[in-house]
Amino acid sequence: ETGVTQTPRHLVMGMTNKKSLKCEQHLGHNAMYWYKQSAKKPLELMFVYSLEERVENNSVPSRFSPECPNSSHLFLHLHTLQPEDSALYLCASSQVRVLSNQPQHFGDGTRLSIL
Amino acid sequence: SQELEQSPQSLIVQEGKNLTINCTSSKTLYGLYWYKQKYGEGLIFLMMLQKGGEEKSHEKITAKLDEKKQQSSLHITASQPSHAGIYLCGADSGGTYKYIFGTGTRLKVLA
Repeated sequence: ETGVTQTPRHLVMGMTNKKSLKCEQHLGHNAMYWYKQSAKKPLELMFVYSLEERVENNSVPSRFSPECPNSSHLFLHLHTLQPEDSALYLCASSQVRVLSNQPQHFGDGTRLSIL
Repeated sequence: SQELEQSPQSLIVQEGKNLTINCTSSKTLYGLYWYKQKYGEGLIFLMMLQKGGEEKSHEKITAKLDEKKQQSSLHITASQPSHAGIYLCGADSGGTYKYIFGTGTRLKVLA
């Protein structure tokens, strides 16, 4: 099993659809993240969960709804998205410690296209 | 807010040539990470640097963090087509969950 697994790899949806992205980590990490990657822009942090509690929400529109049922799984629920939401969505996990962070490990991403 | 600037934005080199990618921070870095990304895929962790003056190597890739901890360089020796991809630097910006990333350097290696 690879460290961080994301499904699906590709998703095409209309603006009125509802879909979910799934992420699973097998590294025993205590924090999980959702990022959005658009062309020619730095990675944008969307959500952070630590020990299944949301600790960071970078002013993401409500049409994106995260869920973290346990420390190994993370979901991103999507509804009524806009064309500008088309991007690569990356999930990451890391071990967060009191005095220092550790590198994040990323999944292969979900390429999302909104029609 | 802290930002990471990478240079160059893109690079095309002939196989066998050496190259350097730079990452400059607007503030002191607490931790600096280098990642490689193939188009449309996730980021692969390469190296982490934390101490001023630190240098690490993995195969033909060497990364350094300057003494002031505001600039890092990634050096590839004798580049190969397998080195092609996008190289991103990321940093721990001081908050527990606050990671930031540069815009990336797109590397192409001609065989």
